This record gives sequence, C-alpha cells and structure tokens, in this order.
Amino acid sequence: SQTIHQWPATLVQPVGSPLSLECTVEGTSNPNLYWYRQAAGRGLQLLFYSVGIGQISSEVPQNLSASRPQDRQFILSSKKLLLSDSGFYLCAWSGPGTVEGGGYTFGSGTRLTVV
Amino acid sequence: GENVEQHPSTLSVQEGDSAVIKCTYSDSASNYFPWYKQELGKGPQLIIDIRSNVGEKKDQRIAVTLNKTAKHFSLHITETQPEDSAVYFCAAPDSSYKLIFGSGTRLLVRP
Repeated sequence: SQTIHQWPATLVQPVGSPLSLECTVEGTSNPNLYWYRQAAGRGLQLLFYSVGIGQISSEVPQNLSASRPQDRQFILSSKKLLLSDSGFYLCAWSGPGTVEGGGYTFGSGTRLTVV
Repeated sequence: GENVEQHPSTLSVQEGDSAVIKCTYSDSASNYFPWYKQELGKGPQLIIDIRSNVGEKKDQRIAVTLNKTAKHFSLHITETQPEDSAVYFCAAPDSSYKLIFGSGTRLLVRP
C-alpha cells in the first residue's frame, strides 16, 4: 500500500534561518507531488507541484523553493525564513496523469513557527 | 481556471442532527469532486468522492450529491456525532488536473 511520510512534525526556527522540509512517498512510482501551506484557521494554498524528477511548478511567488531530487522525494526549502512563512505545511501525492484515480493523499503536516 | 466556493465557513449543529455543506465550481469540464476532513493538527483525509457520471453517492452516514447543470455539489452528514467535528474541504480539478480546494467549513457538533 502507498504511504506518505513528512517530517519534522513541528519546527521552531528564527527569522533569517534556512529551512528544509522533506516528504517521501512509498508504494507508488512517478507520483504527482504537491506542497501546500495552511495559515491558522485558513484554507489550503498550493505552493508547488511536481509531475516528475526535476520538474517543479510554482503557484505563488514567495520566499520558498522546492526540489524533487528523486522520484518519490519532495523537498521544500528556504534560504532565509520570514515571520510570514509560519504555518502548517502539507505534502500530498496523487497518481500520475489525471487526479481521478483517488484524489490526493496528504501527509501529516509540519507545523512551522518562525520567531 | 477553476474556482471553487464553499459555504458555510462555520456550522454548528446539535448531536444527532444533519449537516450540509455546499460547494460550487466554475469549470463545466470538471468531472471529479472529492471531500476531505481535517482534524486538528492533522493532514486532510479523503472521506468521499463523486464522479460526474453519478448524481449521488452514499457511505454510511455521509453522502455527496452532484448537480452538473447547476455546477454545485454538497456533502451531507446525518446523525452527527462529536467526532464529526472537524474542518471539511471540497475540491474540483482544474484543466491540468490539479485539485482546487474550497475555503473550508468548520463543523462543530455540540453534544
């Protein structure tokens, strides 16, 4: 069966420090991968998505970047965190091609607090 | 592109009552409509979905209805229980098959 792992679960970082969040998927090949951010009490904002190794699409201009060094690994990074980067970060995957194969499967999320 | 609107933003019901959450979408080509439940501090979980070739789908106490003509779909929860308290998101795919999510509904079931 397919599983998605996301870590760390919580993170407190000072302003100006770097960030690296990692997401890995098991039990599937060539997944579509997504990074979402959720501010407190708000909806899901799509940050990046990837349909293959090295293929990254950015949905919103921001202080963050994403990389996909391996088929089932998706990394969210920042060189210098801002206070506004605080939030709940979610990784998700879906099957290749259309989304109708079962929608997205989300990871358990990372709560990032920038202080 | 696809636009998904979700109402209400908050919903409070008495335990045992029914809850209904409604979403509208803009892209008439959309043909897959999932619903997600997000509990506090966790990632959203798919609870039910419907494809455009059916008008209703039921799974125990939850059901989803779809009106393609009017471009809206709804989540119905019957006999609500305290554990149904969560944030619920609807979604629809855009032309590149990315899911566009509604803004969420916070459901509170009062015991």
